[in-house]
Order: sequence, then C-alpha cells, then structure tokens
Amino acid sequence: EDQVTQSPEALRLQEGESSSLNCSYTVSGLRGLFWYRQDPGKGPEFLFTLYSAGEEKEKERLKATLTKKESFLHITAPKPEDSATYLCPTSGSRLTFGEGTQLTVNP
Amino acid sequence: DVKVTQSSRYLVKRTGEKVFLECVQDMDHENMFWYRQDPGLGLRLIYFSYDVKMKEKGDIPEGYSVSREKKERFSLILESASTNQTSMYLCASSFLLAGGPEDEQFFGPGTRLTVL
Repeated sequence: EDQVTQSPEALRLQEGESSSLNCSYTVSGLRGLFWYRQDPGKGPEFLFTLYSAGEEKEKERLKATLTKKESFLHITAPKPEDSATYLCPTSGSRLTFGEGTQLTVNP
Repeated sequence: DVKVTQSSRYLVKRTGEKVFLECVQDMDHENMFWYRQDPGLGLRLIYFSYDVKMKEKGDIPEGYSVSREKKERFSLILESASTNQTSMYLCASSFLLAGGPEDEQFFGPGTRLTVL
C-alpha cells in the first residue's frame, strides 16, 4: 500500500530562520511527487512537481528536492506569509496524501 | 490560470437530505476528482472521472455518487446526508497524460459541509 509520511507535524520558525520539511514515501511505481501549500479554509495550491531522484525545483524562498525515498522542502529566510500547511502527495496508481506539516513563521 | 470553482463555500444540511456539490473547471481538463479532508485523516479520494459520463470509485465512495454530464462539470451527490459526512469537500482537475508522468491536480476552494 502506498504511504506518505510528513514530518514534523508542526513547525514554528522565527522570520528569517531557515529550515526543511520532510516527506518520506513508499510508492510502487512513483510517477511524480507534488508539493502544495494550503491556507486555512482553502484548497491546496500547487507549488512543484518532481519526477525523478536528484531533481530539484525552486520558487522564491522554497526549494524542493527528491531522492528515491523522500523529498525535502527547504525554506530559506521564511516570512510570515509562508505560514501554511504543506502537503506532498505522491502519484502511483493515484495520489496518496500524508497529513501535512503545519508551518508557522513568527515575525 | 486554471480555475476550479465550487458552488458553495459553506453549506448546512439536515440528516437525510439529498445534497449536491457542484464543481466547474475552465481549462478543458479531462480528469476531475472529489476528495474530503478531515483533521488527522488528510485528503481522501471519494470518486474521480477521466471522461464525460465516466466515473471510478476512490478510496471512500460509500454514501456518495457522482455525475459528469459535461467535461467541465463534476457533481458530488450525497444521497442521504449523515452527520459523519460533515467535512471539507475539495474538487480538483488535471490533464490526462497518456502513459507518462502524472500531471499536477488543481484544487478548488473547498466546500465546508455541516450535516446536523
């Protein structure tokens, strides 16, 4: 059974304090790993797609990387507006979601 | 930009009522999906559709049905609403890629349904 585990469940950072979110997965026949951010009461917003180990994608303060077993979302010098829940569904036979990491960035 | 819209942001219904949740996408996507999201359980797939009049069961289809009469519209139906169907419902759409990597899904804003 496909499985995605995200850690930590919750993370509090000070503005400017860089850190990483982890997404571990076991998927048979990985066809892609996605990163989304979700603000409270809203639908997930697409950030990145990673298809193969070694691939990296960047967008502003965010950088996503992928290995054969996990993906990291690195956040450099975060700002309060980066506060959200981050999701990393994987695509095997269908999308498999973990529970996400709730990030809070304090000013 | 892809736009996925859902008919209601908030909905309150009574037990036993028939409930319709509507989803419309404007990017000519073949695939459409319905999820529910609950604290501690994450997003779970209810039903999906790869084409007009086509539907496939997801992981938790019990108590739900769907309808896709037009490519841009995908409806979720709760035949007889129950309190355990109180949840956030999310619609998504994506392109259908033949045999290749999965394409990203674009989500609507969600409908928070409360069943009393």
